[in-house]
Amino acid sequence: QQQVKQSPQSLIVQKGGISIINCAYENTAFDYFPWYQQFPGKGPALLIAIRPDVSEKKEGRFTISFNKSAKQFSLHIMDSQPGDSATYFCAAFQTGANNLFFGTGTRLTVIP
Amino acid sequence: GAGVSQSPSNKVTEKGKDVELRCDPISGHTALYWYRQRLGQGLEFLIYFQGNSAPDKSGLPSDRFSAERTGESVSTLTIQRTQQEDSAVYLCASSPPTGNEQYFGPGTRLTVT
Repeated sequence: QQQVKQSPQSLIVQKGGISIINCAYENTAFDYFPWYQQFPGKGPALLIAIRPDVSEKKEGRFTISFNKSAKQFSLHIMDSQPGDSATYFCAAFQTGANNLFFGTGTRLTVIP
Repeated sequence: GAGVSQSPSNKVTEKGKDVELRCDPISGHTALYWYRQRLGQGLEFLIYFQGNSAPDKSGLPSDRFSAERTGESVSTLTIQRTQQEDSAVYLCASSPPTGNEQYFGPGTRLTVT
């Protein structure tokens, strides 16, 4: 059973546009929600993370929006650049548990 | 500082052979994780080590998979009698004593022919 559901599977955005990736979860015990960026042939790199006590976190062009009641969170990439083209994974973690539960990934392509 | 390193970066093996994959975590990180990533898919948890505690092996897909860790340093993941469905990228991650952040290595791409 997929603990974290991610959409869309792929996304094409024009340079300068906004990229939006969505994730949903069921387990209300999750208390840490990171996003990872993965380039081909590389391991995932931590991009930004949020805890459920805040509704939004912004770091540069990257923003996480968190809706606790809906059990959903999303990544927004503002002013998307071709260098942002990568696969993005959302994940969820429960303190005291032993592993991250990952979404299935979104392949983002930013066209010039 | 140095990140998580893994070796080899690529491994091609024949079906039925055993393979050993290595992970060097970030110095000072007490937690170590192994994940499997099949082509085009998300990461699948395999095993977790925390200090000297007994590992959480709940994600290992079969008894052909095993892993060891020496203290808070190197870990090896061993796959015995490899099968074609074992072909994947095997990723290692480590975490500091405080915080939930996991830092990943570049992975080992395993191809079983």
